[in-house]
Amino acid sequence: EVQLVESGGGLVQPGRSMKLSCAASGFTFNNYDMAWVCQAPKKGLEWVATISYDGSSTYYRDSVKGRFTISRDNAKSTLYLQMDSLRSEDTATYYCARHPFGAPFDYWGQGVMVTVSS
Amino acid sequence: DIQMTQSPPSLSASLGDKVTITCQASQNINKYIAWYQQKPGKAPRQLIRYTSTLVSGTPSRFSGSGSGRDYSFSISNVESEDIASYYCLQYDNLWTFGGGTKLELK
Repeated sequence: EVQLVESGGGLVQPGRSMKLSCAASGFTFNNYDMAWVCQAPKKGLEWVATISYDGSSTYYRDSVKGRFTISRDNAKSTLYLQMDSLRSEDTATYYCARHPFGAPFDYWGQGVMVTVSS
Repeated sequence: DIQMTQSPPSLSASLGDKVTITCQASQNINKYIAWYQQKPGKAPRQLIRYTSTLVSGTPSRFSGSGSGRDYSFSISNVESEDIASYYCLQYDNLWTFGGGTKLELK
């Protein structure tokens, strides 16, 4: 059974950093691209970042370029999102998601809440 | 970047109705559109990929169609378990979600 379990969320002050993790199981992690998708409270879904199966390629939405870094440790089957210079508008639930190459997100974690507030 | 305009933002239906949601892309997305269902407090669930291919486990009352810039998603015979929000996603060039449609019972 495919499982994605996010951790690392919580309350953080504006301008500070936070690192999210997503532990994967039930599939061969290093065969899949992975992504982070966020959802602000009462709002819609927004793609945040994607990393290729081997970590060689990364992609970001414009609003997080230069502030967020997606990475992965295939030996640990874990996906990460390093979030720096956090802003109030980054407040959201962050989901990790699996996506086969050239295909849309097929499995999602349960999400982790990040609140940016002083 | 590709923009996805989804409509309507909300929809009210009776059980047994047919409802349709549309997504228009800002450019041709070559049928690379997926549809997701999201219930409150839950992660999204993929229903359809590549315009009209039902994902395993998706009931046949769900369907999708379209080409070029214009796509639609329908639920025939709405059931109570279908009450949720629905999102389109283009994956032709990076990834962009539509704004979502909240389906409510009339």
